[in-house]
Amino acid sequence: AQTVTQSQPEMSVQEAETVTLSCTYDTSESDYYLFWYKQPPSRQMILVIRQEAYKQQNATENRFSVNFQKAAKSFSLKISDSQLGDAAMYFCAYCYGGATNKLIFGTGTLLAVQP
Amino acid sequence: DAGVIQSPRHEVTEMGQEVTLRCKPISGHNSLFWYRQTMMRGLELLIYFNNNVPIDDSGMPEDRFSAKMPNASFSTLKIQPSEPRDSAVYFCASTLGDYRAGELFFGEGSRLTVL
Repeated sequence: AQTVTQSQPEMSVQEAETVTLSCTYDTSESDYYLFWYKQPPSRQMILVIRQEAYKQQNATENRFSVNFQKAAKSFSLKISDSQLGDAAMYFCAYCYGGATNKLIFGTGTLLAVQP
Repeated sequence: DAGVIQSPRHEVTEMGQEVTLRCKPISGHNSLFWYRQTMMRGLELLIYFNNNVPIDDSGMPEDRFSAKMPNASFSTLKIQPSEPRDSAVYFCASTLGDYRAGELFFGEGSRLTVL
C-alpha cells in the first residue's frame, strides 16, 4: 500500500528563522513524484514544491527546499527565513508514474509563525 | 487568470436533503478532481475526470454520491440524501493532463454542514 506519513501535527517557528517539516512515505514503485502543498486559512491548496523520484538533486523554490532521501523514503521541507505568510497547514503528497494525478496526501502539519 | 471556481462556499442543510456542489475548472484544463477533507480522514480523492469522462470513482463513498461533468467547463458533485457524516470541505481541482504530474490547481472549497 502507498502511504504518506507526517508525524508532526503542529510546528512553530520564529519569524526569519528556519523550520523543517518531516514526511515519510511507503511505496514499491520506482517512478513516482513527491509534493508539498500549502493550505492557508483561505483553504485553497497551493503547490509549494515538487520532486521527481528519478532526480537526485533536491528541488528548491526560493525559500523552500526539500531533503529527499530516497533510500530512507523521507521527504522533508525546509522553509528558510520564515515569514508570517508562511503560516498554514502543509501537506506532503505522493503520486506514482502510472497515475500521475492521483495524489495521496499526508495528514498535514500546522505551521505557526511567531513574530 | 481565473482559478478554479467553486460554489457554494458554504452550505448548511438538513439530513435527507439533496446537496449539489459546483465547480468550474481553469479554462484549458482537461482533468478535474473532487476531493473531500475531514479532520478524521484528511484529504480523500472521490473521483476524477479526464476529458469529461469519469476515470476513477473508487473513492466515492456510496451510491448517495454522484458526479457529472457535462462539458469541459462545469462539473457537479451531488449528495442525495445527505447525512451528518457527509459534513466536510469539498474541493475541486483541475490540471492539464500530464503536463506537470501532480500539479493540481485547487478551488477554495465548499464547506458542507449537514444537521
